[in-house]
Formats: sequence, C-alpha cells, structure tokens
Amino acid sequence: DAKTTQPTSMDCAEGRAANLPCNHSTISGNEYVYWYRQIHSQGPQYIIHGLKNNETNEMASLIITEDRKSSTLILPHATLRDTAVYYCIVSIANSKLTFGKGITLSVRP
Amino acid sequence: GAVVSQHPSRVICKSGTSVKIECRSLDFQATTMFWYRQFPKKSLMLMATSNEGSKATYEQGVEKDKFLINHASLTLSTLTVTSAHPEDSSFYICSATGTIGNEQFFGPGTRLTVL
Repeated sequence: DAKTTQPTSMDCAEGRAANLPCNHSTISGNEYVYWYRQIHSQGPQYIIHGLKNNETNEMASLIITEDRKSSTLILPHATLRDTAVYYCIVSIANSKLTFGKGITLSVRP
Repeated sequence: GAVVSQHPSRVICKSGTSVKIECRSLDFQATTMFWYRQFPKKSLMLMATSNEGSKATYEQGVEKDKFLINHASLTLSTLTVTSAHPEDSSFYICSATGTIGNEQFFGPGTRLTVL
C-alpha cells in the first residue's frame, strides 16, 4: 500500500503556480519523498525528490515540512502541458516505488 | 534526466504466443531495473525487481513462469510474456536506477494487446 495520501484532483489557471500537497505521516528516517508525473499513455516522468531539505530544479520546487510528515510540490508557472497525474511516493533510495492513485492536475487556459 | 528506452512501443499478438519486451538504459548503468504493469485508469503496479546478474524478485501474485525477466547486462533487461492471453493485455513499463544517484527513471512503456 502507498504510504502517501493526496487529493484526488485539483485545477489551476495557466501561468499561475500549482501547489500539490502530499501527506506521508509514517515516513521513515531513510525514506525520500519522490514526485513523478504521468501524462496519458506515457511512462512516468521524474520531477524531483528530497530527504529533509527543500529542493528546486528546472521543473519544480519541493517543500518538505520540518517533521517530514507532509510536502508540497510547486510548479511555479503552470502550462497546459503540465496537465497530468502527479504521484507523491516515499521510498528508500534506489528501491521499488509504490504508486498510489496520485492527484490529477488540470491546467485551464 | 537519464534516458530509458523500451521496445517495442506497442505490440499486438495472438493468444498463446510469447512476447518479449526490451528495456534499455541509454546513458547510465542500471544495476536495478523494475517492471510495472498498468491497467486502464489504474495506477502502476510493480511486477518484479531485477538486479543485474541475479534472478528477479517477483511481487506477490505475479507468476514468475509466465513473466520471464532477464537482466543480463547493466544496460538491458527483458520481460517475456509467455503464452499470452487477453487478460495479459496491459501497459508494461520498466524503470531503472543505478549509477545516476537516488532517482529512478522510467521507460515510455509498451502497450500489449492480446487477441
């Protein structure tokens, strides 16, 4: 079973920031928080991951609470191409990933 | 990010035949590869984990004699669906991790349709 809970869906306007929340209250000390997204009929795309500190790359930012029980993925300027299912997963490094249902993000024009 | 390829991207076969799907890591060495299956409108389900040069570890409920996995090199893993039946029709996706850090990268998937 997935160790994370995410809302089923959310939407945001194109050009605005999309903030996707994730709860992982039972995360272990050696588990990372990974975010992937899947566009219809494609393989999942890696977005970002982190252990304790906040992380930023060219795609997104990951904010992890100090107690590590929740996190937020931020897409700073959402575009229509960001419409996808986003998966928040906790796992130890280089280990199998357990996918939950994810959150469907719809970016509207 | 690192690149993982799969071949073929889609395949249609007759019931009772075997189908082989290849997964390759193109720009890194994949010490571990994973095979997932995804049915329509469902999430990905892990089928098995394979480490280079070792026998694959299958998840509960996955028949190891039906889904043969070989990981003979650090850049190639294969999944063979033996004696395929219509209920094996699905989207099969591989992923790989290895000499690239803590991330795991996925292939584009293979759509299998068994008639």
